[in-house]
Amino acid sequence: QKEVEQNSGPLSVPEGAIASLNCTYSDRGSQSFFWYRQYSGKSPELIMFIYSNGDKEDGRFTAQLNKASQYVSLLIRDSQPSDSATYLCAVNMPPESILTGGGNKLTFGTGTQLKVEL
Amino acid sequence: SQTIHQWPATLVQPVGSPLSLECTVEGTSNPNLYWYRQAAGRGLQLLFYSVGIGQISSEVPQNLSASRPQDRQFILSSKKLLLSDSGFYLCAWSVIRAGGRDTQYFGPGTRLTVL
Repeated sequence: QKEVEQNSGPLSVPEGAIASLNCTYSDRGSQSFFWYRQYSGKSPELIMFIYSNGDKEDGRFTAQLNKASQYVSLLIRDSQPSDSATYLCAVNMPPESILTGGGNKLTFGTGTQLKVEL
Repeated sequence: SQTIHQWPATLVQPVGSPLSLECTVEGTSNPNLYWYRQAAGRGLQLLFYSVGIGQISSEVPQNLSASRPQDRQFILSSKKLLLSDSGFYLCAWSVIRAGGRDTQYFGPGTRLTVL
């Protein structure tokens, strides 16, 4: 059973602080990792993806991947009230499954609710 | 640019009634298409995915079915809805890029309530 684990929260941070969201996964063969943001009542929106160990920065967002420890994290700098949402971590199956026609399946965590307080 | 549409946006149906949800993608060819369900307070559950016209893979045995009659059209159906079918239904698309990696993008979703 491939699993993706996230703390459900809520994680509360003051405006302007750094929010740190964490995710662990069970399948060592996983190759691609994604963070989606989901506002209440809306569909998930892709905000970051990362394939290699280390950090990847995009504006106020930084994704961090450590394959040896099987975790991926998302840092949000200068948190704003508009960042308040549920953040979903998703992990992809290895590319080999795609080449055999198995499709490209994402396993999602249940999400961490972030609240940025004024 | 690519756009994904889903309709209807909301739906209230009685138990035992049929269901048809539609998803269409614009601006890309031969996408992979996916149906997910998100039940209240729960994570995203992959229901079906399709790598081409007429090719459907089912992830979870249930009273739902999917079809892909055209390259950029994906339909989710049921002959008889159950109370447990209530949820937020999301369609997603992706295109495989170099290295076998791709990224899934979600449509706006259909919120289904079965009474």
